Amino acid sequence: AQSVAQPEDQVNVAEGNPLTVKCTYSVSGNPYLFWYVQYPNRGLQFLLKYITGDNLVKGSYGFEAEFNKSQTSFHLKKPSALVSDSALYFCAVRDDTGGFKTIFGAGTRLFVKA
Amino acid sequence: EAQVTQNPRYLITVTGKKLTVTCSQNMNHEYMSWYRQDPGLGLRQIYYSMNVEVTDKGDVPEGYKVSRKEKRNFPLILESPSPNQTSLYFCASGAPGGGVNTQYFGPGTRLTVL
Repeated sequence: AQSVAQPEDQVNVAEGNPLTVKCTYSVSGNPYLFWYVQYPNRGLQFLLKYITGDNLVKGSYGFEAEFNKSQTSFHLKKPSALVSDSALYFCAVRDDTGGFKTIFGAGTRLFVKA
Repeated sequence: EAQVTQNPRYLITVTGKKLTVTCSQNMNHEYMSWYRQDPGLGLRQIYYSMNVEVTDKGDVPEGYKVSRKEKRNFPLILESPSPNQTSLYFCASGAPGGGVNTQYFGPGTRLTVL
């Protein structure tokens, strides 16, 4: 069965410092991995995805994520955090076995302090 | 403007009174899906649809119905709502694009069942 774990409920970082939001997954086949962001009172917005190819994926707003198959991880990173990055971040996974069911993690709230 | 719309945005109802939450997308996407968001649980998929007249259960389908009679619309029906269905609901759409999709989310519907 597919599953996604975001081990941190909350991540605190100072503006200008690098940030990492962690995600690990479990799927039967090969994973399709996604990061979405939710700002207050808004729907989710797509940030980036890994399908195949280069393990380092670049996305919107300066975010990137690294796919690590051996550790079954897909951590979200940004070299220099902004206060405006404060939001709720979700990792999601589908597998390539033919179904289109998507599993989301519980979410990680990012606070960036000025 | 490309978007997913949901109505109503807020709804307070009583146990057992049938309700429908509408979802419409103008991007000609084949894939549509409903999720509920609850604190600490992230997003859980209720139902999804790969195309007109094709629907499938997600992780938490009990107590919900859907229909896909037109490509652009994917209403969520609660025949007899109960308090445990109080939640924030999101509709999403996406284009599979070779078996993989990025999802575009609506603004959400906050439902309270008394």
